[in-house]
Amino acid sequence: QVQLQESGPGLVKPSETLSLTCTVSGYSISSGYYWGWIRQPPGKGLEWIGSIYHSGNSYHNSSLKSRVTISVDTSKNQVSLKLGSVTAADTAVYYCARGDYPDYWGQGTLVTVSS
Amino acid sequence: DIVLTQSPATLSLSPGERATLSCRASQSVSSNLAWYQQKPGQAPRLLIYDASNRATGIPARFSGSGSGTDFTLTISSLEPEDFAVYYCQQRNNWPPLTFGGGTKVEIK
Repeated sequence: QVQLQESGPGLVKPSETLSLTCTVSGYSISSGYYWGWIRQPPGKGLEWIGSIYHSGNSYHNSSLKSRVTISVDTSKNQVSLKLGSVTAADTAVYYCARGDYPDYWGQGTLVTVSS
Repeated sequence: DIVLTQSPATLSLSPGERATLSCRASQSVSSNLAWYQQKPGQAPRLLIYDASNRATGIPARFSGSGSGTDFTLTISSLEPEDFAVYYCQQRNNWPPLTFGGGTKVEIK
């Protein structure tokens, strides 16, 4: 059973960096698939943030400019997200998910940007 | 970037009725389109991939069709658990992966 679990602070101050980790169980990241981050502001739709392959090849949404860093740690079976210079507009539920048709998702974690 | 436009925004139907949801792409995505269902407080669930293939465990009342720029998700007979928000998503020309704005299927 493939499971994904997001973890990280639920509250981040404006201008600081949001950092989240996705721990995958039941499947080895090294076996394949892109692993990505998707977010959903309260009451709104889904926005793809970026994805990474186990080799480290990654893509991110250009709308987030250079604020996004996605990395993978195959030894821990984890994928991480860093989003810099956050503002209130970055308040959202953040999901990690497997694949370019995401078939397994984490439960999501709400990150609020507020002072 | 490919823009996906879903219509209608809200669909008000009764259990047992047929639901027809539309997703239109700003340029061809071939058959590289998926549909998701999302219930309040839950992550989205993959229903359909490659426009017409049901994901594992998805009931046969869900079907997808279309190619190019116009796609349809059909729920043949709505069950109470089907009232939710539905999103389409393309992977034909990524990055970025893009999602439609969603269609809410509500109880009439």
